[in-house]
Amino acid sequence: DAKTTQPTSMDCAEGRAANLPCNHSTISGNEYVYWYRQIHSQGPQYIIHGLKNNETNEMASLIITEDRKSSTLILPHATLRDTAVYYCIVSYQTGANNLFFGTGTRLTVIP
Amino acid sequence: EPEVTQTPSHQVTQMGQEVILRCVPISNHLYFYWYRQILGQKVEFLVSFYNNEISEKSEIFDDQFSVERPDGSNFTLKIRSTKLEDSAMYFCASRSGGISYEQYFGPGTRLTVT
Repeated sequence: DAKTTQPTSMDCAEGRAANLPCNHSTISGNEYVYWYRQIHSQGPQYIIHGLKNNETNEMASLIITEDRKSSTLILPHATLRDTAVYYCIVSYQTGANNLFFGTGTRLTVIP
Repeated sequence: EPEVTQTPSHQVTQMGQEVILRCVPISNHLYFYWYRQILGQKVEFLVSFYNNEISEKSEIFDDQFSVERPDGSNFTLKIRSTKLEDSAMYFCASRSGGISYEQYFGPGTRLTVT
């Protein structure tokens, strides 16, 4: 089952940074933090993942607190196409690495 | 960019009928998955498949469900005798393996059981 807590919904103005928090206070030392998003009813899309260091790619940045009990996904310049449900998932990076989704945060980017 | 494809996009079937949902994972990927999402609910893991056998399965994946990789490119999910509660969007996913853990999802098949 999902071991993360996320706000149900958030709004963000177009062009501004969207900061999506996630609480994973029971994360174990070998579990990674993954972020996926689902636009409307499409298949989930991988965004980024990390263990303890902050990570950045072309889509987003991931900031993980030093105690690893929470993280923040940052979309630096949100566009209308970033409107989606964002899922924070913790998972061991071993074996099949099955994903257990929670209810996520519905981000609405407002023009 | 390579992508996971799924067919059909929408399948309507009567209760008790067998359905086969098809997926073509990304070439050279080694891990394959099926997830489902009942309308308005969260995405649920069904099964993972590696090296021609099931790696893990959830409680949802009971004897009515089976998976197969018949020809090295397709990955199928069969539901033997559909129930009304099987109505959902079914997503196939694949990942390459090794040090890469991101999963790539297909667009889904909407299954409607009447």
